Amino acid sequence: QVQLVQSGGEVKKPGASVKVSCKASGYTFTNYGISWVRQAPGQGLEWVGWVSGYNGNTNYAQKFQGRVTMTADTSTSTVYMELRSLTSDDTAVYYCARDKSAPVREYWGQGTLVTVSS
Amino acid sequence: QSVLTQPPSVSAAPGQKVTISCSGSSSNIGNNNVAWYQQLPGTAPKLLIYDNDKRPSGIPDRFSGSKSGTSATLVITGLQTGDEADYYCGTWDSSLSDGFAVFGGGTQLTVL
Repeated sequence: QVQLVQSGGEVKKPGASVKVSCKASGYTFTNYGISWVRQAPGQGLEWVGWVSGYNGNTNYAQKFQGRVTMTADTSTSTVYMELRSLTSDDTAVYYCARDKSAPVREYWGQGTLVTVSS
Repeated sequence: QSVLTQPPSVSAAPGQKVTISCSGSSSNIGNNNVAWYQQLPGTAPKLLIYDNDKRPSGIPDRFSGSKSGTSATLVITGLQTGDEADYYCGTWDSSLSDGFAVFGGGTQLTVL
């Protein structure tokens, strides 16, 4: 069965960076891309970007360009999302999700809470 | 402000039917398929409907979706208390060269 297991919660100070991992199993990693979606406390879903499991190509939401980097490690079937220059507005649960197609997030990780606080 | 517009909340009694709308534009819903997600309290979202009206394996046929023009609709029949959750529509927006994923603001379903 498809599983996406994310790294644990993080607490960061404003201006710092955070790197969240998402380890995939139960399918051929290189056949699918992974999206990152975040959800601020009490808010809706916001797409952060996408990384290809095949060749590492990326597509970032305009809002995060220049501040986010997503990478894929085929040797460990793990995807990483690094977000830099954190502010309190970045406090959110970050989910990784395997994409079935461009509009469709088919399987989701359990989420990683990133808290930005001084 | 979300790109796709959903009602903030809907409610209905057990056994009844509820409809959740999702409104967009020609750059998103009008030219791309729509998916729906269910998010139970404290859990990750779960895919409910994809490609406008298809259900993943294991999703009961009480859940159905449709799309017309720049709007989409999720219908839940035979409501159960376990259906209380937030529901999100999502699609792709092609207004930029690479495109990007968009979601509705979410609709909280209360089963009275």
